[in-house]
Amino acid sequence: SQQGEEDPQALSIQEGENATMNCSYKTSINNLQWYRQNSGRGLVHLILIRSNEREKHSGRLRVTLDTSKKSSSLLITASRAADTASYFCATPRRRGQNFVFGPGTRLSVLP
Amino acid sequence: EAGVAQSPRYKIIEKRQSVAFWCNPISGHATLYWYQQILGQGPKLLIQFQNNGVVDDSQLPKDRFSAERLKGVDSTLKIQPAKLEDSAVYLCASRDSFSGNTIYFGEGSWLTVV
Repeated sequence: SQQGEEDPQALSIQEGENATMNCSYKTSINNLQWYRQNSGRGLVHLILIRSNEREKHSGRLRVTLDTSKKSSSLLITASRAADTASYFCATPRRRGQNFVFGPGTRLSVLP
Repeated sequence: EAGVAQSPRYKIIEKRQSVAFWCNPISGHATLYWYQQILGQGPKLLIQFQNNGVVDDSQLPKDRFSAERLKGVDSTLKIQPAKLEDSAVYLCASRDSFSGNTIYFGEGSWLTVV
């Protein structure tokens, strides 16, 4: 079953603008991860936020987690053309310590 | 540190034929995953190994898909016979079970079934 779901499905912005994408999930989790996938490539881990954290930063990335709303957001500040990619949230499944990925947000950053 | 290696990168086969994909995870990673990613969708887990044992294969279509990791290192995913709807990218990933939740992905094997 699908645990996390990102929105919007697609987002197009100008270089220099901020990009915000959201992830909603259904069951309680102990951590949530964000991954990036460039066209034709594998996924790359961006950031992990634990259930006892509300916000986490990594360079131009800012992730928030609201466990009461079962949602997370990924903010990319001062976007660049190189940020053009699909972004996925991943949440743990109950068994086996594996992770469920949402359908992703396709971000296009126009120069 | 070498990443997750996959081969072949691209494969085109006719329906009802068979195909095999190979994966070599990051050295020392006990956990290995195979994901299927259909164009425009997120990756869907097919099977998870811990060393040479299967942890989760609940979403593997066992009538046509099989996977093994006999020596607990590299792994092979096979599809026989292939259907048109198997056209997808097959992503192998690995994780160091003891030091974190980060999953490291290979570049994927692109399968087109015609």
